[in-house]
Amino acid sequence: DGGITQSPKYLFRKEGQNVTLSCEQNLNHDAMYWYRQDPGQGLRLIYYSQIVNDFQKGDIAEGYSVSREKKESFPLTVTSAQKNPTAFYLCATKFRGEAFFGQGTRLTVV
Amino acid sequence: DQQVKQNSPSLSVQEGRISILNCDYTNSMFDYFLWYKKYPAEGPTFLISISSIKDKNEDGRFTVFLNKSAKHLSLHIVPSQPGDSAVYFCAASVNSGGSNYKLTFGKGTLLTVNP
Repeated sequence: DGGITQSPKYLFRKEGQNVTLSCEQNLNHDAMYWYRQDPGQGLRLIYYSQIVNDFQKGDIAEGYSVSREKKESFPLTVTSAQKNPTAFYLCATKFRGEAFFGQGTRLTVV
Repeated sequence: DQQVKQNSPSLSVQEGRISILNCDYTNSMFDYFLWYKKYPAEGPTFLISISSIKDKNEDGRFTVFLNKSAKHLSLHIVPSQPGDSAVYFCAASVNSGGSNYKLTFGKGTLLTVNP
């Protein structure tokens, strides 16, 4: 089955801990993105990667880090420097004009 | 600076009537526009797109209109169905939406279709 897999769907962490969100794709798309959704804020771009071993900051990159060692994988680390990490995180690939989204990970920091 | 604006946070319509969702943009370099639909706790799914060389694109019950001079686009859903109830995001890109160019999203409009 082709698609984008984000795991886990729900994630709980204690304040001050780093946490890594997984995103795997088998669509063979070069471009991958991380968005964050908050109520009333729409989708805000955290990081994106156009090709393996390359990535750029999006609009709200502070407190986040990424890596792109393989075409299939684009993990996002939410660090303790992120002031308000509780949110719904969406991973996407992009092919030509269209973005394809995973099912999202709901991160709750307590 | 918000480059893609959806000024109506919510819209409520009766089943069978037309739903019109609006979107404005400020970046004149945008030349490719998309609409996405999102249910709670799920990823957005693609609905319909339009290139700036066109002013209308139709797909079944969904039609997108683009007014470049006004930097405005709208999504029409006719007839509206209860299953259309979701958040709708407008998105825009440059360079005809090529893979290397990011999408900029609006804040979304929650559509509720009442039976």
